[in-house]
Amino acid sequence: EVQLEESGGTLVQPGGSLRLSCVTSGISFSRFAMSWVRQAPGKGLEWVSSISGGADNTYYTDSVRGRFSISRDHSKNTLYLQMDSLGASDTAIYYCTMSSAGYNCADWGRGTLVTVAS
Amino acid sequence: ETVLTQSPATLSLSPGERATLSCRASQSVSSYLAWYQQKPGQAPRLLIDVASDRATGIPARFSGSGSGTDFTLTISSLEPEDFAIYYCQQRANWPLTFGGGTKVEIK
Repeated sequence: EVQLEESGGTLVQPGGSLRLSCVTSGISFSRFAMSWVRQAPGKGLEWVSSISGGADNTYYTDSVRGRFSISRDHSKNTLYLQMDSLGASDTAIYYCTMSSAGYNCADWGRGTLVTVAS
Repeated sequence: ETVLTQSPATLSLSPGERATLSCRASQSVSSYLAWYQQKPGQAPRLLIDVASDRATGIPARFSGSGSGTDFTLTISSLEPEDFAIYYCQQRANWPLTFGGGTKVEIK
């Protein structure tokens, strides 16, 4: 059984930085692409970023490009999202997802809440 | 950016009824369209991938169809646990995008 567990979400001031982590188990970590998807309070789903299984390709939505950086550590079976220059519009639950084919979101973590406020 | 438009925004139905949800793409996504279900306080769950393939463990009452720009998720007979929000997502074009969601509520 695939398990994904996010951590790192907290209250941060505007302009601050945060690093989210997602530890995985139950799957061959390096085989599959992974993504971060966020959901602002009471809103729909928004794709944030994806990384290929081998970490050689990364993708970002326009609103976070240049501020966020996705990476993965195969030795730790862990996905990361480094978030800089945070603003109120980044307030959301951040979900870690793993693909089963291409860049689908076959498995999801429970999410971690990031709140950007002063 | 490929915009996905879901309709209706809200669907009010009774248990046992058939639900038909629509997702329209602003440009072709071939068959790279997935459907997700989200219940309050929970993470989304993959129901359907590549337009019509049910994910592991998804009941047969859920079916997907379509290709190109027009897609449909059908729930043949609603069970109480099916009342939730449903999202479509395309992965044919970057950036990946989600539709705005359809809420299926109890009538």
